[in-house]
Amino acid sequence: AAGVIQSPRHLIKEKRETATLKCYPIPRHDTVYWYQQGPGQDPQFLISFYEKMQSDKGSIPDRFSAQQFSDYHSELNMSSLELGDSALYFCASSQGILDEQYFGPGTRLTVT
Amino acid sequence: QQQVKQSPQSLIVQKGGISIINCAYENTAFDYFPWYQQFPGKGPALLIAIRPDVSEKKEGRFTISFNKSAKQFSLHIMDSQPGDSATYFCAASGGYGNKLVFGAGTILRVKS
Repeated sequence: AAGVIQSPRHLIKEKRETATLKCYPIPRHDTVYWYQQGPGQDPQFLISFYEKMQSDKGSIPDRFSAQQFSDYHSELNMSSLELGDSALYFCASSQGILDEQYFGPGTRLTVT
Repeated sequence: QQQVKQSPQSLIVQKGGISIINCAYENTAFDYFPWYQQFPGKGPALLIAIRPDVSEKKEGRFTISFNKSAKQFSLHIMDSQPGDSATYFCAASGGYGNKLVFGAGTILRVKS
């Protein structure tokens, strides 16, 4: 079965640079969630989109922005990167806003 | 402050034994309680989930027990195998947006 696709899988950036993470949800899934997971920590919710509209917002820094496109893929844009942004970033998708969330393999971002 | 409290932090079980992980929550708006399994460097994989209208759900070797009045739920892994060694996260969601709130995770090691 098709799963959530995330790209790139690994990304190394320097402080103050920008990064763009992409997420392709499972076919026919219309809801996308972004989570950040630090080393040894649980995933923390950042932001979600349902039918291309922002549906909820968590502890996402103002330096980050995201959107969902007409084909339901989503992009997380991160600017003025800081060392503390180094983490695993997961995208999850669901069919509808109340259904089970399936996670992608993640993007490991390292900021040096 | 962790909205979902998970214990134990780590667990060692002999092959063939029963692994039990417990979670507690306070927010009565939560109405969906999934468990995720995560291997190092991988995305969380949905194992099993329950809603408050049932007290128990079983899928293969995995069982969720749910106590609505105590606001607690637990995961039982029967006949634990070395391949079950991973980090397990309980989570909860409810209300608008359906974002998942995770417990801190339990590192399970099954000894052969």
